[in-house]
Amino acid sequence: NAGVTQTPKFRVLKTGQSMTLLCAQDMNHEYMYWYRQDPGMGLRLIHYSVGEGTTAKGEVPDGYNVSRLKKQNFLLGLESAAPSQTSVYFCASSYLNRGNSPLHFGNGTRLTVT
Amino acid sequence: GENVEQHPSTLSVQEGDSAVIKCTYSDSASNYFPWYKQELGKRPQLIIDIRSNVGEKKDQRIAVTLNKTAKHFSLHITETQPEDSAVYFCAASISNAGGTSYGKLTFGQGTILTVHP
Repeated sequence: NAGVTQTPKFRVLKTGQSMTLLCAQDMNHEYMYWYRQDPGMGLRLIHYSVGEGTTAKGEVPDGYNVSRLKKQNFLLGLESAAPSQTSVYFCASSYLNRGNSPLHFGNGTRLTVT
Repeated sequence: GENVEQHPSTLSVQEGDSAVIKCTYSDSASNYFPWYKQELGKRPQLIIDIRSNVGEKKDQRIAVTLNKTAKHFSLHITETQPEDSAVYFCAASISNAGGTSYGKLTFGQGTILTVHP
């Protein structure tokens, strides 16, 4: 199993450009998440999905959109990139459970907006 | 929503010493507390977790303690080694059972641990 795979690994955008980050998991997990990581601020939840066709806002959703058309894929879109969106983005997934299941993270995407 | 505070932000120890990282949380309904280790340039990886029905959990050199009354939990690493150097994150969430948290974790700000040989 590849686990959670993110593409691309690095990207540089100019202000106002758009892009889509792709996350794919092969563990048949129900839940998927997008986090951003900034120095001194830990990981903050952007959006999440509890199943195919569903999405919900996290802690810092502004400026981002997501889609979960297939269970294994979770896309994060930036329609008009801003320098404040310079960050490392991590996708994660977990399985449906009565209790809590650990998050499995991808390797991250380092995005720079100039 | 949940707020998790983590201290210290940086921690420097000598090889063989113990290291302790502390976290506090705000939502008394939180009942799942994982710890993640992130090496430089890599993904966060779960190293240990604890649920609210347990006060302490150990895994070799790593232990976590939980005080639900005070709403704080701590990570203890004994006999530290240079390969323990990394950023450590605590997190908290509310169990999925009967709720709508959907496993969403709220993370602390991270602690940079440096173990000197």
